[in-house]
Amino acid sequence: DIQMTQSPSFLSASVGDRVTINCKASQNINKYLNWYQQKLGEAPKLLIYNTNNLQTGIPSRFSGSGSGTDYTLTISSLQPEDVATYFCLQHSSRPLTFGSGTKLEIK
Amino acid sequence: EVQLVESGGGLVQPGRSLKLSCAASGFTFSNYGMAWVRQTPTKGLEWVASISTGGGNTYYRDSVKGRFTISRDNAKNTQYLQMDSLRSEDTATYYCARHGEFGVPFDYWGQGVMVTVSS
Repeated sequence: DIQMTQSPSFLSASVGDRVTINCKASQNINKYLNWYQQKLGEAPKLLIYNTNNLQTGIPSRFSGSGSGTDYTLTISSLQPEDVATYFCLQHSSRPLTFGSGTKLEIK
Repeated sequence: EVQLVESGGGLVQPGRSLKLSCAASGFTFSNYGMAWVRQTPTKGLEWVASISTGGGNTYYRDSVKGRFTISRDNAKNTQYLQMDSLRSEDTATYYCARHGEFGVPFDYWGQGVMVTVSS
């Protein structure tokens, strides 16, 4: 199974800050990497698919990058409504595996 | 608007069975693969099973193979997860999710249903 190591586990930042969250795969996943946002008590929502493709309706302050084993989610200017837990997902091979999550709060 | 609504969760004893349903609306159900994903505070998110558009191909994580069965009824716009021989480690919130265009997994999710396996 491909292991996804996500960092940091917890992140506190101010409104307007640039925020980055990382996922490292245990092997090359060929950009088959999605990012999800989960707000408290809600289901996850797809933000980015295949490394850098913004899902319809997602604000452009969210972006993704990476290749090989290393991937990054960036929020260019943090907004209060971005408080949530963020997860990565590799879908290069089964079983599909998720990162352990990054809980993002506002300072 | 895509909607996925799960039902069938609850409290069940170890070794017993439970069947989850997921009613889909707002899209042509028969055109999309579907999946079940579960979440616990300790293990996080885990993919459980997936099924192809026609139901002919199914895939499972190792820990549920032989115990869980994913299926779908395209005439009823509904997918199912039959869970047999349940274990305490199957306790989780179970989400129904859609496999989106071009093989992108989990583009839409339901609100989830709680399954508790305990005596």
